[in-house]
Amino acid sequence: DAKTTQPTSMDCAEGRAANLPCNHSTISGNEYVYWYRQIHSQGPQYIIHGLKNNETNEMASLIITEDRKSSTLILPHATLRDTAVYYCIVRVAFNNAGNMLTFGGGTRLMVKP
Amino acid sequence: EAQVTQNPRYLITVTGKKLTVTCSQNMNHEYMSWYRQDPGLGLRQIYYSMNVEVTDKGDVPEGYKVSRKEKRNFPLILESPSPNQTSLYFCASSRMGGASTDTQYFGPGTRLTVL
Repeated sequence: DAKTTQPTSMDCAEGRAANLPCNHSTISGNEYVYWYRQIHSQGPQYIIHGLKNNETNEMASLIITEDRKSSTLILPHATLRDTAVYYCIVRVAFNNAGNMLTFGGGTRLMVKP
Repeated sequence: EAQVTQNPRYLITVTGKKLTVTCSQNMNHEYMSWYRQDPGLGLRQIYYSMNVEVTDKGDVPEGYKVSRKEKRNFPLILESPSPNQTSLYFCASSRMGGASTDTQYFGPGTRLTVL
């Protein structure tokens, strides 16, 4: 699976959009971009995923660049409850190692009042 | 409510005393998995199960056992716990294994301390 690079930490004002970048310059054509988040010591929570088109759901939007070497997770109106560590993961759709997720360091997002 | 439950949530034990952490899901998922999370090491997979009676090792299986006799349950067994197994443990499930497009649902975590 491709390696990802994310900033260690970011701040965002409550009510503003939080834009979390992820670099995955070695991504392969069959690898998806996934985002999960983990609120302090709770189980990771799925947010969104995409292959090459931009995606939106009730939680967030995912913008993937045309060359697919980077992406941005957008939380349109961040709240204090969005304070968490956000993980960007790149992996193929199917593999023989089950559905293992490999989490790197992630970005610690602090939403401030 | 669709969920993954783990018990206990917190456990302090002593070296060598066998323990079991239970995991149960109510979503009829085929795939279940155990991870441990340690500071600076991220989330690492211990064991996974693609379906009933099918289990396989993840990245860090040493010192752990699992079983999958029923679809909904996937207990993690530490036959002889040691201090290096002190960690935060998460159980996860998804509709099917092998397909990363399936969302993984995680349990609330079990914080284990081995003295």
